[in-house]
Amino acid sequence: NAGVTQTPKFQVLKTGQSMTLQCAQDMNHNSMYWYRQDPGMGLRLIYYSASEGTTDKGEVPNGYNVSRLNKREFSLRLESAAPSQTSVYFCASSFGTGIGTDTQYFGPGTRLTVL
Amino acid sequence: GQQLNQSPQSMFIQEGEDVSMNCTSSSIFNTWLWYKQDPGEGPVLLIALYKAGELTSNGRLTAQFGTTRKDSFLNISASIPSDVGIYFCAGPQRGSTLGRLYFGRGTQLTVWP
Repeated sequence: NAGVTQTPKFQVLKTGQSMTLQCAQDMNHNSMYWYRQDPGMGLRLIYYSASEGTTDKGEVPNGYNVSRLNKREFSLRLESAAPSQTSVYFCASSFGTGIGTDTQYFGPGTRLTVL
Repeated sequence: GQQLNQSPQSMFIQEGEDVSMNCTSSSIFNTWLWYKQDPGEGPVLLIALYKAGELTSNGRLTAQFGTTRKDSFLNISASIPSDVGIYFCAGPQRGSTLGRLYFGRGTQLTVWP
């Protein structure tokens, strides 16, 4: 039982390049989330998927797209990377009880640098 | 979005000391969550609080849901080196049924042996 896994762990991109961050969970959770963490800023929600087949914008969605590929996998895509997207990206999942107290489990993060 | 203010931003303490940190919001929360992030890892849930005035412990950690429902406190007793990390408060968006969380900016804790 690996929990939430993310790939890659580290990535360096040049401005304008594209890439996809992968996330998978093996806990049979319904809801999945993408956050970004910047120094001194806490975590900010980019996109989330309440259930398979649905996605919604979070607090900072500009410059990102997501795909809920199936119940296990939720990917985050940067179509044209910008230096402002240099950050640590965390994927999380939760059972999705429909209550705002649902415990979220986080992956280890992807450290992205855009030059 | 809702604003969560954590203080202090950082703490440097000696092993064995007690630690207190708090989180305040600009609006009422129905749930308070405290997470810890170890260096290079994702956050892990420590304590969840669901009722105003609630006091909950998890080992050496104790958290309280403030009676105004706009604040919460986390205390760590007899700190040890493995307490090092960033502590975040978090809460679900008001009226949310989807588990969307807002996070404070974190308290960075350093423990000297």
